[in-house]
This record gives sequence, C-alpha cells and structure tokens, in this order.
Amino acid sequence: DTEVTQTPKHLVMGMTNKKSLKCEQHMGHRAMYWYKQKAKKPPELMFVYSYEKLSINESVPSRFSPECPNSSLLNLHLHALQPEDSALYLCASSQSTGSSQETQYFGPGTRLLVL
Amino acid sequence: GIQVEQSPPDLILQEGANSTLRCNFSDSVNNLQWFHQNPWGQLINLFYIPSGTKQNGRLSATTVATERYSLLYISSSQTTDSGVYFCAVDRGTDKLIFGTGTRLQVFP
Repeated sequence: DTEVTQTPKHLVMGMTNKKSLKCEQHMGHRAMYWYKQKAKKPPELMFVYSYEKLSINESVPSRFSPECPNSSLLNLHLHALQPEDSALYLCASSQSTGSSQETQYFGPGTRLLVL
Repeated sequence: GIQVEQSPPDLILQEGANSTLRCNFSDSVNNLQWFHQNPWGQLINLFYIPSGTKQNGRLSATTVATERYSLLYISSSQTTDSGVYFCAVDRGTDKLIFGTGTRLQVFP
C-alpha cells in the first residue's frame, strides 16, 4: 500500500478561523512533509518531520503550525491566515534517512481558500 | 541555491505522438525524481533516477549527473498523460527542490 491520505479535500475559511489539515500514511515511512503549491507553480517545501521531530522549517510564518502526533500522522494547524495563503497543500512521506533521499509519495492535497 | 529548469514549459501533442522533456540543474545533486501531477492535483512518482536509464511501459528516463540534466521520454502519448511533469532534486538532505515544470496537453 503506497497511499497517503489527506483530509479535508477542500476547505474554505475566514481570516479569523482556526482549522487543521490532516495527513496519514501507513507505509512505515520515517519522514513526512508539508508542501504548499500555488497555481501554475511547483510545490514548495514548508516543513519536514523526521522520526516525529521537526527537522526542517523553511521559514514558514507562525500562522502555520505543524504537529506530528505519531509516526503515521501529520497535522497542519492554521490560524489567522491571509488570502494569499490560498493554495493546494500537499503532504508526502518517504523512507528517506536524511542523508539519502528516497521516493516521496504524495497525498491528493487539500485545496484551501481563505476569504 | 540550486536552480532546476525544465523545458519546454508547455507542450501540446496529438494522441500517439512521442515527446522528450528536459530537466537541467545548476549544481551537483544526490538524487533526481520525476513526478506527474494530474489535472486534479495528485502528484505521482514516475522515476527515482539519480543516474542511468530506467523504463516503465511507455515512459523512460535518463539522467546524466555529470552533465547536470535528465530527460523524460513519453512514447505513444495518451490523453491520460496530460498534466504537469516535474523533476525534483535533492543534495543529500530531506529537502526536495522541484523544477519549473512542463505542462503537457494531449488531444485525441
């Protein structure tokens, strides 16, 4: 099974709302990732968790707060977002060891619209 | 930082045609992956190819790491091949850097 699941598929939120995106994988992968993708642009890395610890934060604003409750789950908590944060948010996982990248498997994404 | 450029940016084909997509990178890399993003946004890994040549059905890929480029070949294209193709590289860390993408449209 090479599936990464994400919920919800679509999300509309106001600038004062708090919401969370969820990601799950059952492949035993030790690395999990959050990416942001704007229309007609490539995905941009936001966060990396390695063995449930935050290993990379690409200078993401604090209104985005990642959380890794266990090795299979990854959350992204959203608070006080701006309209320019509207994008496709992608989760991925891999068996990468940090010094050797392996194949990344992506979820279907959450389309976020901030009003 | 490393630059990853893909060409062409857009490609329009008729079903059955062949095509070659190119990925150039500005510095040495540890690994290179090719992805297909379908019109609904799902990214599918096509190849993990740090060097050499691999084939999978109608698709094949070649990476020449010493010359800093990779090629993706699509033969006998089908409408389901439409979408955006990305190459992505890493330099021995968890960070995957995506290329600029090639948008492919295949018409019947």
